[in-house]
Amino acid sequence: QVTLKESGPGILQPSQTLSLTCTFSGFSLSTYGMGVGWIRQPSGKGLEWLANIWWDDDKYYNPSLKNRLTISKDTSNNQAFLKITNVDTADTATYYCARIYWVFDYWGQGVMVTVSS
Amino acid sequence: DIQMTQSPSFLSASVGDRVTINCKASQNINKYLNWYQQKLGEAPKRLIYNTNNLQTGIPSRFSGSGSGTDYTLTISSLQPEDFATYFCLQHNSFPWTFGGGTKLELK
Repeated sequence: QVTLKESGPGILQPSQTLSLTCTFSGFSLSTYGMGVGWIRQPSGKGLEWLANIWWDDDKYYNPSLKNRLTISKDTSNNQAFLKITNVDTADTATYYCARIYWVFDYWGQGVMVTVSS
Repeated sequence: DIQMTQSPSFLSASVGDRVTINCKASQNINKYLNWYQQKLGEAPKRLIYNTNNLQTGIPSRFSGSGSGTDYTLTISSLQPEDFATYFCLQHNSFPWTFGGGTKLELK
């Protein structure tokens, strides 16, 4: 059974760095073709793809945020991470991680992050 | 970037109805189109992958079709558990992009 669970700080202030963790089970990021991606959804708005990381450490970022994003993984501990630097109120959203087996199949329930002074 | 225009944004229907939801891409996405269902507080669930392939465990009343720039999700006979939000995702090219979503409500 594949499960993913996101965790994050809940609330942070503008200009801080947002650190998110995706802890998963039921698959390994050392398996050929596997990956984890991050997606976000501001309240009442659509979904925005942020970044992907694959089993071979290949990474793709959304160009609209590329300079602020860093995705990484810890294969041994079944975790993936996303950092977003210099956050602003526009980064307030629910953040999801999802397994990639060529494309997103299983998703986590999401974690809400609020950026507020 | 490929823009995905999803329609309608809202849809009111009754149990037993046949409904269709559309996604139009700004360029050819070569059938690399997935459909997902999202219920409040739950993880999104994949229904269809690569246009017309039913995810394991998803009822056969869900189906997908399309090619080129135009894609459709059809629910043949709505069940009470189908009232949710649906969205499409293109993964033909980066950045992957989503449709705006369709909220399916009980009439």
